[in-house]
Amino acid sequence: GDSVTQMEGPVTLSEEAFLTINCTYTATGYPSLFWYVQYPGEGLQLLLKATKADDKGSNKGFEATYRKETTSFHLEKGSVQVSDSAVYFCALSDQTDSWGKFQFGAGTQVVVTP
Amino acid sequence: DAGVTQSPTHLIKTRGQHVTLRCSPISGHKSVSWYQQVLGQGPQFIFQYYEKEERGRGNFPDRFSARQFPNYSSELNVNALLLGDSALYLCASTLKWGSLGTDTQYFGPGTRLTVL
Repeated sequence: GDSVTQMEGPVTLSEEAFLTINCTYTATGYPSLFWYVQYPGEGLQLLLKATKADDKGSNKGFEATYRKETTSFHLEKGSVQVSDSAVYFCALSDQTDSWGKFQFGAGTQVVVTP
Repeated sequence: DAGVTQSPTHLIKTRGQHVTLRCSPISGHKSVSWYQQVLGQGPQFIFQYYEKEERGRGNFPDRFSARQFPNYSSELNVNALLLGDSALYLCASTLKWGSLGTDTQYFGPGTRLTVL
């Protein structure tokens, strides 16, 4: 079945450091890929998405490129802020499977210190 | 526009009881999905409904059931609660279902269920 694997956290960074969170996936069809962010005590917010190979999603300084050859969708940000502290989830939705069924990774906690 | 809303925010129940969680999707969205998020883990898919019909079901026991109403709001019901049902229950809505190019899911703030 479909699955998503993320790097384990917590990832602790200083402000203005470069952030990378690795995400790889397994899917039988042609998935769309997503990054969601969850702040303490809140639901999930969409950060960015990509629907086909080589697409790049970007938002709020975050970027991720859909790499079909390596089945990856790594999240990057060039200069993090304290406000970026949160849990980040990589997710996929396989168009050939249940349309509404998102498969999430376990999440990666990011802690940014001043 | 209002986002996805869920009620109640928090709920405490005891083992064996029944619980009903409610969700209102974004205006115009016809599809609602439910997820269970245990502390420290990613959300796990429970159900999806579109146009009042169940379109997908995750690997959850029959104690879990749901329905969608004509106004596209939805209820998740859990019977015979177990300690392991303690989790954040998330509802997500999407504009459409079954289209090429999977639509984005927009999540509500969740209902925190504690089973004692």
